[in-house]
Amino acid sequence: NAGVTQTPKFQVLKTGQSMTLQCAQDMNHNSMYWYRQDPGMGLRLIYYSASEGTTDKGEVPNGYNVSRLNKREFSLRLESAAPSQTSVYFCASSGASGVGVKQYFGPGTRLTVT
Amino acid sequence: QKEVEQDPGPLSVPEGAIVSLNCTYSNSAFQYFMWYRQYSRKGPELLMYTYSSGNKEDGRFTAQVDKSSKYISLFIRDSQPSDSATYLCAMTAVGGPGGSQGNLIFGKGTKLSVKP
Repeated sequence: NAGVTQTPKFQVLKTGQSMTLQCAQDMNHNSMYWYRQDPGMGLRLIYYSASEGTTDKGEVPNGYNVSRLNKREFSLRLESAAPSQTSVYFCASSGASGVGVKQYFGPGTRLTVT
Repeated sequence: QKEVEQDPGPLSVPEGAIVSLNCTYSNSAFQYFMWYRQYSRKGPELLMYTYSSGNKEDGRFTAQVDKSSKYISLFIRDSQPSDSATYLCAMTAVGGPGGSQGNLIFGKGTKLSVKP
């Protein structure tokens, strides 16, 4: 039981390049989330998927797109990376609503955009 | 005013001390309250989870919620060097506006260092 896994662990991009961050969970959770964590800003929600087939914007969605590929996988895409997107990105998942507030996090992806 | 306020620290204590970490919040609709622990360069891990007001104890950790004061606390007894981490409070109002079920609002985290 690996929990929430993320790939890659580290990435360096040049401005304007694109990339996709991958996330998978093996806990049979319905909901999945993408956060970014910046010094002094805490964790901020980018996008979330309450269930397979649905996605919604969070607090800071600009410059990102997401895909809920199936129940297990939720990817985050940067179409044209900018230095302001340098951050640590965390994926999380949670179970059915009512108990869904317990979110479990992956190990993170450290992204640097130069 | 931010929805959730948390003193970023850093907080440094000697081993064996009692540690008190706190958050205040402004949204009276928050019902679920959590504490996450985040070691350096790792993802947050859920430490404590409480619903509404009251206390919850788990080993050396006690979480308190005072909804009348919009104030939550995490106490760590007999603190150990292994407790050195950043502690994040988080809370949510299930079924909030925009269908944001389960969306957590996080404090910015308090960095704790326990010295041997």
